[in-house]
Amino acid sequence: QVQLLESGPGLVKPSETLSLTCTVSGDSISSYFWSWIRQPPGKALEWIGYIYYTGRTNYNPSLKSRVTISVDTSKNQFSLKLSSVTAADTAVYYCARSKMYLTAYAFDIWGQGTMVTVSS
Amino acid sequence: SSELTQDPAVSVALGQTVRITCQGDSLRNYYASWYQQKPGQAPVLVIYAKNNRPSGIPDRFSCSRSGNTASLTITGAQAEDEADYYCNSRDNSSNHVVFGGGTKLTVL
Repeated sequence: QVQLLESGPGLVKPSETLSLTCTVSGDSISSYFWSWIRQPPGKALEWIGYIYYTGRTNYNPSLKSRVTISVDTSKNQFSLKLSSVTAADTAVYYCARSKMYLTAYAFDIWGQGTMVTVSS
Repeated sequence: SSELTQDPAVSVALGQTVRITCQGDSLRNYYASWYQQKPGQAPVLVIYAKNNRPSGIPDRFSCSRSGNTASLTITGAQAEDEADYYCNSRDNSSNHVVFGGGTKLTVL
């Protein structure tokens, strides 16, 4: 059974860098694509970006200048860094396994999510 | 980039059929995937690609597409189907991902 678990600080100060890690169990990270998705309180889902085990990435254009997603295949983990955070980055952050079909994208396995609050 | 538009809220009587729609230019070329999210929980994939259901998803969930509109249909809605539903698709002009704004489904 594939499971994803997000970890990282729940509180980040404004202007600092948010850092989260997703640990994948039950599957090799050297398959599929892996994504970060966030959801501000009471709002819709927002895709942040995805990574393939080779290191190939693709980011949401609205966040691209501040986002870095990396992968560590030896630990079966992938990570998110979001720089220069503001209160608008307060959200539940999810990691998800991503299936990229020719005509559809789907996120079939999700982590439980981790709440990150940006506040001084 | 593309946008996906969903009605904010829809209601259905218990046991009846309901359709939740998702509109966007990208849907002319790409299929929508649909997610169910209950309060305090992570989203769950219910439909993907051309009307495929992951293991464990009841067959009362189905989807269709016409022009720029994708629809999620729940045939015989149950109380446990009350949730927020999100669609997503590939962006029309890139490999980016777009999500709809979500639809809150109430089962009366």
